[in-house]
Amino acid sequence: GIQVEQSPPDLILQEGANSTLRCNFSDSVNNLQWFHQNPWGQLINLFYIPSGTKQNGRLSATTVATERYSLLYISSSQTTDSGVYFCAVKSQGAQKLVFGQGTRLTINP
Amino acid sequence: ETGVTQTPRHLVMGMTNKKSLKCEQHLGHNAMYWYKQSAKKPLELMFVYNFKEQTENNSVPSRFSPECPNSSHLFLHLHTLQPEDSALYLCASSQGPGIDISSGNTIYFGEGSWLTVV
Repeated sequence: GIQVEQSPPDLILQEGANSTLRCNFSDSVNNLQWFHQNPWGQLINLFYIPSGTKQNGRLSATTVATERYSLLYISSSQTTDSGVYFCAVKSQGAQKLVFGQGTRLTINP
Repeated sequence: ETGVTQTPRHLVMGMTNKKSLKCEQHLGHNAMYWYKQSAKKPLELMFVYNFKEQTENNSVPSRFSPECPNSSHLFLHLHTLQPEDSALYLCASSQGPGIDISSGNTIYFGEGSWLTVV
């Protein structure tokens, strides 16, 4: 099945810093989503982005489908951005999303 | 608020107990899912229901028994669990599995149920 690899596994930054999280995948996809899991466990959908670029406030994401990767950018980080960021993908004809291992982001005040 | 509600948020149960997790979605979706998240592991898909019919069971032990009475409700019945079943159990919903790119098949998660088996 499709493989999803996220990097880095852990990222520790000071408040105000910018960060880039990467998601590599091994096959063509028709669904790619980024999620933020807060410290209480809830997964919040950030972007549905199988291709192209989207922006939502301080967050933006770009997926280059032909090169099989996606990037999540967080600018001017805040402590509330802390948590685990997951990338999930679904390949053509597949029934389910496959999740990466996640990137644990810690923003220190 | 994602439109997917799970109860209870926390559950502690003994290995001989029978308990249930409940999930309700208010998004008008047709597909519902149970995921398991254990420490240091990626999310594992357990079950998929589409229009109340189970379409996927990822080799889940029979001590986990799902029930989907309608498209808005999903249960996970738990019976004689093991300590290694302790995990965060996440419910999710979407328009439907396998829908192509033009439909924007975004999946929405509930807040999760933290399960501890003692």
